[in-house]
Amino acid sequence: AQSVSQHNHHVILSEAASLELGCNYSYGGTVNLFWYVQYPGQHLQLLLKYFSGDPLVKGIKGFEAEFIKSKFSFNLRKPSVQWSDTAEYFCAVTDTGGFKTIFGAGTRLFVKA
Amino acid sequence: KAGVTQTPRYLIKTRGQQVTLSCSPISGHRSVSWYQQTPGQGLQFLFEYFSETQRNKGNFPGRFSGRQFSNSRSEMNVSTLELGDSALYLCASSLDGGDNGYTFGSGTRLTVV
Repeated sequence: AQSVSQHNHHVILSEAASLELGCNYSYGGTVNLFWYVQYPGQHLQLLLKYFSGDPLVKGIKGFEAEFIKSKFSFNLRKPSVQWSDTAEYFCAVTDTGGFKTIFGAGTRLFVKA
Repeated sequence: KAGVTQTPRYLIKTRGQQVTLSCSPISGHRSVSWYQQTPGQGLQFLFEYFSETQRNKGNFPGRFSGRQFSNSRSEMNVSTLELGDSALYLCASSLDGGDNGYTFGSGTRLTVV
């Protein structure tokens, strides 16, 4: 069965620190990969997505993620976080053609000003 | 364009009752997926509808059901409510089933007492 694992449930960083959130998935077929973000009091928003091609994808607000097929990983990175990046981040995997997207449990990021 | 609209925003029900939640997707989106979000569990997939047909469902008991109308609006129903059904229920719409990512609604917060 498909599963998505996010390594950290809570992360606390100071502004300007670098961020890396881990995500591993379990699925043997072709998948599309996503990161979503949920800012306090707001609905979930798509941050970035990977379908194929260049394994390094760039999203909004300076975020990027790298797909490493051999490790079944899709880690999210940002070189320098801001206080406004405080949010919960969800990694998600879609089984192409399966009409089902599985989400990880989420990582709550708190950035200290 | 208008986003995904979920009604009601908040709901309090008593154990044993039943509830119906509504979702209006973005105009032109024919796929609607439902998720249950609880602290620590992340988003759990309930089901996905496309053109009035359920194409996939998650591992929830039969008390959870849904449907989609010809205008792509969707409803989900939970019968015989249990305390553990208290959660945020999210609706997500997409053109074709999530392969390109979802647009989420703000959710319906259901509290069962």
